[in-house]
Amino acid sequence: DAKTTQPTSMDCAEGRAANLPCNHSTISGNEYVYWYRQIHSQGPQYIIHGLKNNETNEMASLIITEDRKSSTLILPHATLRDTAVYYCIGRRGAQKLVFGQGTRLTINP
Amino acid sequence: NAGVTQTPKFQVLKTGQSMTLQCAQDMNHEYMSWYRQDPGMGLRLIHYSVGAGITDQGEVPNGYNVSRSTTEDFPLRLLSAAPSQTSVYFCASSYDGASGNTIYFGEGSWLTVV
Repeated sequence: DAKTTQPTSMDCAEGRAANLPCNHSTISGNEYVYWYRQIHSQGPQYIIHGLKNNETNEMASLIITEDRKSSTLILPHATLRDTAVYYCIGRRGAQKLVFGQGTRLTINP
Repeated sequence: NAGVTQTPKFQVLKTGQSMTLQCAQDMNHEYMSWYRQDPGMGLRLIHYSVGAGITDQGEVPNGYNVSRSTTEDFPLRLLSAAPSQTSVYFCASSYDGASGNTIYFGEGSWLTVV
């Protein structure tokens, strides 16, 4: 599974778009990019995933660069409840999700 | 979190005691797994199963046993608890092990070993 690199922390104003970057320069062709978030010590919550194309769902958008070496998670209108640790994960098989340190996103009023 | 139920939510054990953390899912998922999360750390895989009767070790399997007798249940057993096993434990499941299928997590079980 690809090693991912994320900023340790970020801040965003409430109501603005939160853009969380992730570098995964060693990602392989069949490896998906997954995003999860964890609020306090709750179970990780699935947000979105993608392989090559950009993806959008009710929670967020995922923009993957053409060379697939990086991606950006976009929360279009951040609220205080989006304060959490966000994990970008490369996944290639059945065995595991490799969680790094993630990005601690703080939404400020 | 969709359909992954963990019990108990909180447990305190004495060193050397044994216990089982229960995990059940009602989504007919073939793939189930257990992770642990230590303070300030990411999750680490303990054991996983790709179907009933099939289990395999993850990244940190020592001190833990699992079995998968049914599709729905995947219990995690601590045979002789140690303080190093104080952690939050998360069970997770997915339709199958394919990388395009989402893994869903339970709410966690907080275990303290004294």
